[in-house]
Amino acid sequence: AQSVTQLDSHVSVSEGTPVLLRCNYSSSYSPSLFWYVQHPNKGLQLLLKYTSAATLVKGINGFEAEFKKSETSFHLTKPSAHMSDAAEYFCGGISSGSARQLTFGSGTQLTVLP
Amino acid sequence: KAGVTQTPRYLIKTRGQQVTLSCSPISGHRSVSWYQQTPGQGLQFLFEYFSETQRNKGNFPGRFSGRQFSNSRSEMNVSTLELGDSALYLCASSGTEREKLFFGSGTQLSVL
Repeated sequence: AQSVTQLDSHVSVSEGTPVLLRCNYSSSYSPSLFWYVQHPNKGLQLLLKYTSAATLVKGINGFEAEFKKSETSFHLTKPSAHMSDAAEYFCGGISSGSARQLTFGSGTQLTVLP
Repeated sequence: KAGVTQTPRYLIKTRGQQVTLSCSPISGHRSVSWYQQTPGQGLQFLFEYFSETQRNKGNFPGRFSGRQFSNSRSEMNVSTLELGDSALYLCASSGTEREKLFFGSGTQLSVL
């Protein structure tokens, strides 16, 4: 069964510095992976998704993620953090088996310091 | 297009009661999924419905049930509420791109 693990429950960065949110997945086959963002009191919004077309995926708001099969990782990055990036981020995936169930990691709360 | 609508926004119940939550998907979306969100646990998948049929089910007890109607609207029911059921319940709909979920704002359930 596929699962995704977010390695940090909280990440704190200063405005203007790079952001790295880590996500590992466990699977014996290429998954469909994605990142969602949840701002306070709002629903989740899709940031980006990987579907094997390219290992580097660009998303909205300057975020990107790189799929590394050798490391079973799909980390989310942004070169320069903005205050508006403060939110909770969820990594998730869909197994390519018959169930094709969507599952999410436990989330990473990103704090951006002025 | 209107987004995913969940009602009610807030609910307060006592232990042992039951509750029904409602979700109206984006027009044209036939898949509706439900998630439970709690601090520290993240998003736990409850179930997914597609064209009135349950397509997937998470690891929740039988007290949690759902259904989908012919107009794709979905309801989730929790019977014999427990304190641990207090959470934000999120509904999401999707169209042809299954991983592109559109989430509602959720129903915040508090069990006292």
